[in-house]
Amino acid sequence: IAGITQAPTSQILAAGRRMTLRCTQDMRHNAMYWYRQDLGLGLRLIHYSNTAGTTGKGEVPDGYSVSRANTDDFPLTLASAVPSQTSVYFCASSDSEGADTQYFGPGTRLTVL
Amino acid sequence: GQNIDQPTEMTATEGAIVQINCTYQTSGFNGLFWYQQHAGEAPTFLSYNVLDGLEEKGRFSSFLSRSKGYSYLLLKELQMKDSASYLCAGMDSNYQLIWGAGTKLIIKP
Repeated sequence: IAGITQAPTSQILAAGRRMTLRCTQDMRHNAMYWYRQDLGLGLRLIHYSNTAGTTGKGEVPDGYSVSRANTDDFPLTLASAVPSQTSVYFCASSDSEGADTQYFGPGTRLTVL
Repeated sequence: GQNIDQPTEMTATEGAIVQINCTYQTSGFNGLFWYQQHAGEAPTFLSYNVLDGLEEKGRFSSFLSRSKGYSYLLLKELQMKDSASYLCAGMDSNYQLIWGAGTKLIIKP
């Protein structure tokens, strides 16, 4: 059982380029989340999905989009990357959108130059 | 506003006990989570408290006081592998987690 996988592990990207970060879980969890983690700051929620077919905006959604076509996959797209999007991105999932434990993927380290 | 406060860094000695404090302000409250994060790795779940009191889980215990907006994580018999960041997160009325910046725990031999 892999849990949650993310790809790529790391990426260096030129500003203005489009980039999709992939996230797949095999736990059949209903809820999935995208966070970014920056030095000195807590994890910040970008987008979430409570169930396949639905998505919602978190604390810092600008410049990012998501889709949830099925239960397992929750890709995050940066339409036109900017240097302020340099960060470590974590995907997480939980059984439901309620007070359930969130399980995290290994993260993607993204650098935008 | 919503806010989680925890110390930036703490140092402790191998074999000792350390207490990491966290104060929280959230819009509504659906529990308090503690996660451990080793450098370069993903956060992993440690504990969840929604009622007042102490929850013990092996060497780790977590305490919650809802009236004071306060929690702590207690680590006993410290081992070198406990060197990590410890993240406190409060769950608000929308079931979204509000995260602290984390406490980096340094264990010295």
